[in-house]
Amino acid sequence: DIVMTQSPDSLAVSLGERATINCKSSQSVLYSSNKKNYLAWYQQKPGQPPKLLMYWASTRESGVPDRFTGSGSGTDFTLTISSLQAEDVAVYYCQQYYSTPRLTFGGGTKVEIK
Amino acid sequence: QVQLVESGGGVVQPGGFLRLSCAASGFTFSSHGLHWVRQAPGKGLEWLAFLRYDGSNENYADSVRGRFTISRDNAKNTLYLQMNSLRAEDTAVYYCAKEGIRGAGPTYMDAWGKGTKVTVSS
Repeated sequence: DIVMTQSPDSLAVSLGERATINCKSSQSVLYSSNKKNYLAWYQQKPGQPPKLLMYWASTRESGVPDRFTGSGSGTDFTLTISSLQAEDVAVYYCQQYYSTPRLTFGGGTKVEIK
Repeated sequence: QVQLVESGGGVVQPGGFLRLSCAASGFTFSSHGLHWVRQAPGKGLEWLAFLRYDGSNENYADSVRGRFTISRDNAKNTLYLQMNSLRAEDTAVYYCAKEGIRGAGPTYMDAWGKGTKVTVSS
């Protein structure tokens, strides 16, 4: 199985500042034939189910604010929140869908307000 | 809008069984594959199973293969998860989720239910 490793486990950022979450896969999730990275990001607020933020590593789901940006390729990926808002307090997960059907998630990164 | 509502959770003894249901609305149920994902208390997300739109090609995580069975009734717009030989480590909130790419098999999940809680304890 592809192992997804997120860092840091948690971070505290001031309102309006940038938050950066990293996700590393144990093998490349870039499919050579279509040049797409098979990686998604989810946001899970306290007491709620996960919500899809990003797919193909950098395509924002409809309705997701543009302060959220996904980047990276191959094995190293980043989710950036450009200007942290109070409503962004959540745990963020990456997930690979390259190695189907064995889908795997990262361990999560908790984002809090400093 | 897409709605997924799980039910059937509860407290069960080790070795016991439960059947979870996920009632769907707001989309053409028979055209989309569906997943089950769980989250143990205070832990991360674990993908469990996927079933194609037509009920073919069941896929399972190693942790549940042979004990859990995913199925669907397209006439009732309902997804199921039959869970047998339950263990303490199966204690979790169980979510159903809709496939993000229609017909592409297990990929990402673009809509989630609120989950149903399963506790395995004597």
